[in-house]
Amino acid sequence: EVQLVESGGGVVRPGGSLRLSCAASGFTFDDYGMSWVRQAPGKGLEWVSGINWNGGSTGYADSVKGRFTISRDNAKNSLYLQMNSLRAEDTALYHCAREPLGGYDLGWFDPWGQGTLVTVSS
Amino acid sequence: VIWMTQSPSLLSASTGDRVTISCRMSQGISSYLAWYQQKPGKAPELLIYAASTLQSGVPSRFSGSGSGTDFTLTISCLQSEDFATYYCQQYYSFPRTFGQGTKVEIK
Repeated sequence: EVQLVESGGGVVRPGGSLRLSCAASGFTFDDYGMSWVRQAPGKGLEWVSGINWNGGSTGYADSVKGRFTISRDNAKNSLYLQMNSLRAEDTALYHCAREPLGGYDLGWFDPWGQGTLVTVSS
Repeated sequence: VIWMTQSPSLLSASTGDRVTISCRMSQGISSYLAWYQQKPGKAPELLIYAASTLQSGVPSRFSGSGSGTDFTLTISCLQSEDFATYYCQQYYSFPRTFGQGTKVEIK
């Protein structure tokens, strides 16, 4: 069974940092690009960042560029999101999601993890 | 950025009804559109990609149509498990964007 399980969320003060992780299983992880998609409470979906199959190419939404860094460890079947300089508007449920192919920048998302909640509040 | 307008935002329907959800783009995207279903407390699930291709395992009562700027998701005979929120997503251009969602509730 293909599965994605996120962890690392929590409550952090504005300006703080957090590192999210996504553990993948049930498929050949390094065959696929991966992305992070977030959902603010009661709101819609926003693509945040993506990475290709070998980590050599990454992309970011303008809203997080320069503050967030995506990475992956194919030996550990894991995806990461380092979030710095966090703002109140970053408060959301963060899902990791698999791309349909080895890239990250164009395609649908399937499957998705359940998400990990990040709350930025003083 | 491609903007997407999903309508309606709320749809009240009964089991057995045929329902349609619309997704309109700010510019043409050929058929680079996906649809997702999300139930409360759950992750979104892919229903349709390439505007009309049903994802494996998705019931045939779901169908998608359209190209260019106007797209539709149809549920031919609404079942109790279909009450959820539905999102469209374009993957024609970077960054990928989503519609604001349509909540299908019990009438």
